[in-house]
Amino acid sequence: KQEVTQIPAALSVPEGENLVLNCSFTDSAIYNLQWFRQDPGKGLTSLLLIQSSQREQTSGRLNASLDKSSGRSTLYIAASQPGDSATYLCAVQIQGAQKLVFGQGTRLTINP
Amino acid sequence: DAGVIQSPRHEVTEMGQEVTLRCKPISGHDYLFWYRQTMMRGLELLIYFNNNVPIDDSGMPEDRFSAKMPNASFSTLKIQPSEPRDSAVYFCASSFYRGLYGYTFGSGTRLTVV
Repeated sequence: KQEVTQIPAALSVPEGENLVLNCSFTDSAIYNLQWFRQDPGKGLTSLLLIQSSQREQTSGRLNASLDKSSGRSTLYIAASQPGDSATYLCAVQIQGAQKLVFGQGTRLTINP
Repeated sequence: DAGVIQSPRHEVTEMGQEVTLRCKPISGHDYLFWYRQTMMRGLELLIYFNNNVPIDDSGMPEDRFSAKMPNASFSTLKIQPSEPRDSAVYFCASSFYRGLYGYTFGSGTRLTVV
């Protein structure tokens, strides 16, 4: 059974810092991995999608990497801003299946 | 495209009442998913459809829950009778061609059963 773990559960940093959020998964047979952002009381916004054959994806100040062999992904946020405060969720799509398995998320607070 | 559209955004109902949640997926997407989010259990898949056909309903908690997809542009999740422990945020998501381009989620329905 695929399990996804995100560490830390919560993170608070001052504005301007670069930071890394971690995601680990137990079964390396994945189809893709997706990072989402969720603001309080809102839905999930897709940030980055990494296919199993890819190593990383970038969008603006965000960079996500994938190491299937070690079962890890990281989300790197450069020059953090207060507007980046949200919960970040990692989800993997199992190979041969259609469902996403989610981690519990990292609640990020960027302090002005 | 307006994205995945869910209604209502909020629903407050009394225990024992029937609740129907609605979802319109992105046009052209062939997979539709219903997820439930709670503080204790996070995001859990309830059921998903492919080309309007239910494929996996193993996450549906019990017989009080049912889901339908009568056509490619509409799905419902029904709870009858509702119970306080059903209180959660219910998300609908859709994807194209086995998730090749990822999943798109709706804004969710916050259900409160009192």
